[in-house]
Amino acid sequence: DTEVTQTPKHLVMGMTNKKSLKCEQHMGHRAMYWYKQKAKKPPELMFVYSYEKLSINESVPSRFSPECPNSSLLNLHLHALQPEDSALYLCASSPTPDRGNIQYFGAGTRLSVL
Amino acid sequence: KQEVTQIPAALSVPEGENLVLNCSFTDSAIYNLQWFRQDPGKGLTSLLLIQSSQREQTSGRLNASLDKSSGRSTLYIAASQPGDSATYLCAVKESSSFQKLVFGTGTRLLVSP
Repeated sequence: DTEVTQTPKHLVMGMTNKKSLKCEQHMGHRAMYWYKQKAKKPPELMFVYSYEKLSINESVPSRFSPECPNSSLLNLHLHALQPEDSALYLCASSPTPDRGNIQYFGAGTRLSVL
Repeated sequence: KQEVTQIPAALSVPEGENLVLNCSFTDSAIYNLQWFRQDPGKGLTSLLLIQSSQREQTSGRLNASLDKSSGRSTLYIAASQPGDSATYLCAVKESSSFQKLVFGTGTRLLVSP
């Protein structure tokens, strides 16, 4: 099983809403990632969690708040987003943070901010 | 700052053709390079991973090569099929930032029956 599951698949929210994106994997992976992908652009790294601790934050605005409550689950809490934050949000995981590992991606959550 | 470029940006071919997708990167200090496929509005599927010490990797009709010193990789697709239609992305993992993938700009492939 090489599945990374993301919920919801689609999300529409207003600029004053608070919502959360969820990512789950049961492969025993200890590194998890959030990427943001704008239309017709490549994915860009947002956050990396290694062994449930935040190891990389690519200068992401504080209206995006990641959380890794356990080794299988990764959340992205959203608050006071802007319309330009509309994008496909991709989660990935790898066995460990080591360089040689492949990252396995979920299907993504398509977010629209009105 | 590493920049990854893919040429062409879009490609349309008839079924059965062999084709080559190109990926170039500006900093040759990479740990590995990965090719992904992305269907419209979907996540990424890993196709091939080439370590920096390797020259090529093969999986079925796909063959990826890596010339690290010149900053180039190619993905060769043999006997293309309509089901190969997707966007293909290459991504490099830099030696200096072992957790970060830097993605290329992508090639949108359309294979017509």
